[in-house]
Amino acid sequence: ELKVEQNPLFLSMQEGKNYTIYCNYSTTSDRLYWYRQDPGKSLESLFVLLSNGAVKQEGRLMASLDTKARLSTLHITAAVHDLSATYFCARGYGGSQGNLIFGKGTKLSVKP
Amino acid sequence: EAQVTQNPRYLITVTGKKLTVTCSQNMNHEYMSWYRQDPGLGLRQIYYSMNVEVTDKGDVPEGYKVSRKEKRNFPLILESPSPNQTSLYFCASSVQGYNEKLFFGSGTQLSVL
Repeated sequence: ELKVEQNPLFLSMQEGKNYTIYCNYSTTSDRLYWYRQDPGKSLESLFVLLSNGAVKQEGRLMASLDTKARLSTLHITAAVHDLSATYFCARGYGGSQGNLIFGKGTKLSVKP
Repeated sequence: EAQVTQNPRYLITVTGKKLTVTCSQNMNHEYMSWYRQDPGLGLRQIYYSMNVEVTDKGDVPEGYKVSRKEKRNFPLILESPSPNQTSLYFCASSVQGYNEKLFFGSGTQLSVL
């Protein structure tokens, strides 16, 4: 069965702290995507990770992919309130973006 | 402005009354897809399309139909809606290719009574 599991599902952080969100998937894949959703809003694509060891960074967010461990991480550095959102990872298979299997999401709340 | 447009934003209907949610993109994207989002379940893919006249089932296609007669449009059809199809629906599109980011529409909140 194709599964994508994120943890934690809820994360409350203090501003300025670092933390990592984990995304495990059940079958081999070389395509992993991260998305952000603000409350009541649509989704925004953050990162596309296509190969083992891939690392992408934008601002305070850094995503990495370890295909051997079937694990992707989203690391948050020195969190700020604006990062409060729900973060989803998704594994792709098939052609192009193809069939996407999403994790349940991690709801991040950054408090002053 | 480059965008994915869904209509309507909100829809309340009754069981069994056929409905269509429209999705249109103005970016000449080959790939389009539909998702539903439910509390505690995250997003689940309903159908996707790699190009005109090419569609494939996602994880939860039962009770839904799609068509891709033109590149820009990808409507989602519920022939006989049921209450378990009450959900938040998103359409998305992208250029062909693994390395491309998805662009999402604003969502359609559907309630089936």
